[in-house]
Amino acid sequence: DIMMTQSPLSLPVTPGEPASISCRSSQSLLSSGGSTYLEWYLQKPGQSPQVLISLTSNRASGVPDRFSGSGSGTDFTLKISRVEAEDVGIYYCMQALQTPYTFGQGTTLEIK
Amino acid sequence: QVQLQESGPGLVKPSESLSLTCSVSGDSISSYHWSWIRQSAGKGLEWIGRLLTRGTTNYNPSLERRVTISADTSKNQFSLKLSSVTAADTAVYYCTRVVVPATYGAFDIWGQGIMVTVSS
Repeated sequence: DIMMTQSPLSLPVTPGEPASISCRSSQSLLSSGGSTYLEWYLQKPGQSPQVLISLTSNRASGVPDRFSGSGSGTDFTLKISRVEAEDVGIYYCMQALQTPYTFGQGTTLEIK
Repeated sequence: QVQLQESGPGLVKPSESLSLTCSVSGDSISSYHWSWIRQSAGKGLEWIGRLLTRGTTNYNPSLERRVTISADTSKNQFSLKLSSVTAADTAVYYCTRVVVPATYGAFDIWGQGIMVTVSS
């Protein structure tokens, strides 16, 4: 199985300030077809997870452009340019390169 | 707009089987692939398995001996059966649509989740 490791696990942020979450995979997520199958999900309080980012950097439909994903190989980053109150929740990275799909431990973003 | 709704018992006794159903509305179950994911305090999000449109199933090796995912096209539902449960199987269980290849996100639609507790 591919292991996913996130940091930090807790992230207090002042509204309007940027935030960054790191994710590392135990092996490269680059497919033979040239796509890198790293995704980001957000689980807002009391809700099911929702996809934010696919293929490392593609925002899902309806996701604000203050969210951006980057990285390659085994090292990835999710950035929020200016945190808003509605961004609170748990952020998970996940590899979709192969089954079993595996998730990071989650990063809890809270507003200071 | 496809919507998913989990149903089943919220309490299961140790050593018995857990059975959950996911009802799909908004489109035919035969048109897409489906998956189950669970979330427990101890292990976070854990992928359980998937059912592909051609009937192929793939399971997490950690659960493979105990898991079965199947579909009932007449009811537009798919189901999860997990046998010989223990307290470690206590979790919120989500049914999801799974997209292969994951160009726009592997798990693009989720049910609301159902809490299942394993206890005598």
